[in-house]
Amino acid sequence: AQRVTQPEKLLSVFKGAPVELKCNYSYSGSPELFWYVQYSRQRLQLLLRHISRESIKGFTADLNKGETSFHLKKPFAQEEDSAMYYCALMRAGGTSYGKLTFGQGTILTVHP
Amino acid sequence: KAGVTQTPRYLIKTRGQQVTLSCSPISGHRSVSWYQQTPGQGLQFLFEYFSETQRNKGNFPGRFSGRQFSNSRSEMNVSTLELGDSALYLCASSLAPIGGRYQETQYFGPGTRLLVL
Repeated sequence: AQRVTQPEKLLSVFKGAPVELKCNYSYSGSPELFWYVQYSRQRLQLLLRHISRESIKGFTADLNKGETSFHLKKPFAQEEDSAMYYCALMRAGGTSYGKLTFGQGTILTVHP
Repeated sequence: KAGVTQTPRYLIKTRGQQVTLSCSPISGHRSVSWYQQTPGQGLQFLFEYFSETQRNKGNFPGRFSGRQFSNSRSEMNVSTLELGDSALYLCASSLAPIGGRYQETQYFGPGTRLLVL
């Protein structure tokens, strides 16, 4: 069975500081990894996924299969980045249709 | 395109009752997944429907069921409600193209908040 761990429930940084939200996973096969974000009073939305290799709102994440990690990084945090962030895993291909396995989430607060 | 919609947004029920929640996916999306979100357990997968068929199911008791209609709209039903069923229920839709190599991105609705008294 797959599992996603986000070790930090809360993370506080100051505006302009670098931020890293950690995500580790356990899964023996090929995973697809996602970061979802939920801003205050908004719905859960995709931030980025590893196959797209994009930088969204200045965030990047690299899949490290050796360390089974998919940490989310941003070099200069902004106040509008304050939100709940979820790391999620889905089995690539196969029969695990429509099932995202989520971590417990990290609440990021960026102070002015 | 309109996003995923869920109705009702809030619901209060008593133990033993049953409840039906509705989800309308983004136009053209054929897969609908359901999740339960609670403070203790976080986001947990309930089931997924595609072309009116349940293709995948999470570890929830049989009291939780769902269905999908020919227009891809989906409903989930919880029978014999328990206090522990109080949660935010989210649905998500995706394109789910046939033969796609990668899983498609899921787009989430705002959720239905269920309170069981």
